[in-house]
Amino acid sequence: DAGITQSPRHKVTETGTPVTLRCHQTENHRYMYWYRQDPGHGLRLIHYSYGVKDTDKGEVSDGYSVSRSKTEDFLLTLESATSSQTSVYFCAISEDLAGSPLHFGNGTRLTVT
Amino acid sequence: GQQLNQSPQSMFIQEGEDVSMNCTSSSIFNTWLWYKQEPGEGPVLLIALYKAGELTSNGRLTAQFGITRKDSFLNISASIPSDVGIYFCAGQSSNAGNMLTFGGGTRLMVKP
Repeated sequence: DAGITQSPRHKVTETGTPVTLRCHQTENHRYMYWYRQDPGHGLRLIHYSYGVKDTDKGEVSDGYSVSRSKTEDFLLTLESATSSQTSVYFCAISEDLAGSPLHFGNGTRLTVT
Repeated sequence: GQQLNQSPQSMFIQEGEDVSMNCTSSSIFNTWLWYKQEPGEGPVLLIALYKAGELTSNGRLTAQFGITRKDSFLNISASIPSDVGIYFCAGQSSNAGNMLTFGGGTRLMVKP
């Protein structure tokens, strides 16, 4: 798992509540990513970070925000969870942007009721 | 945006058989990656391809970067039960800000 820890691994929450997912890496990689995985859609990029306090939007960023205050930690926040955000969320890291493979964590399964 | 068409969507084969799956796109990619995902885990990198025409092996797995840069295939020889999982291709292109585009996955099931 390339030194990537996601927490929590499972979470059930109610619609309208805030949720924060955490990704912690021990590899000192510059780039960190949040993806969601849904049947029929594969893996889709939510947000990514290219350094401390440097983040950018991905393909499906609406309803999500991120923060990276330390190299090793990348947080994903759902300010007000909706049922459409029920998904499996994966964190990934890479050394560089171009030509550097992503390594994934083991995911967080989020259910919004 | 860019799309990767991965086929087949699923395969149910007998142990010992060879497996072939592929990804195609209308866009050109600079890098092709193949991942395997098992239940409850994240995708794990199997093979990375960086050059058009490149053929790379990893044990029983062989992958090729298509000469047109618009496709890639993965072969698994002499399948075994632990090959079960979902296999994803991913392409990286400067046209997409070097972000990865993922195929929809091929679910492989192996009958002992």
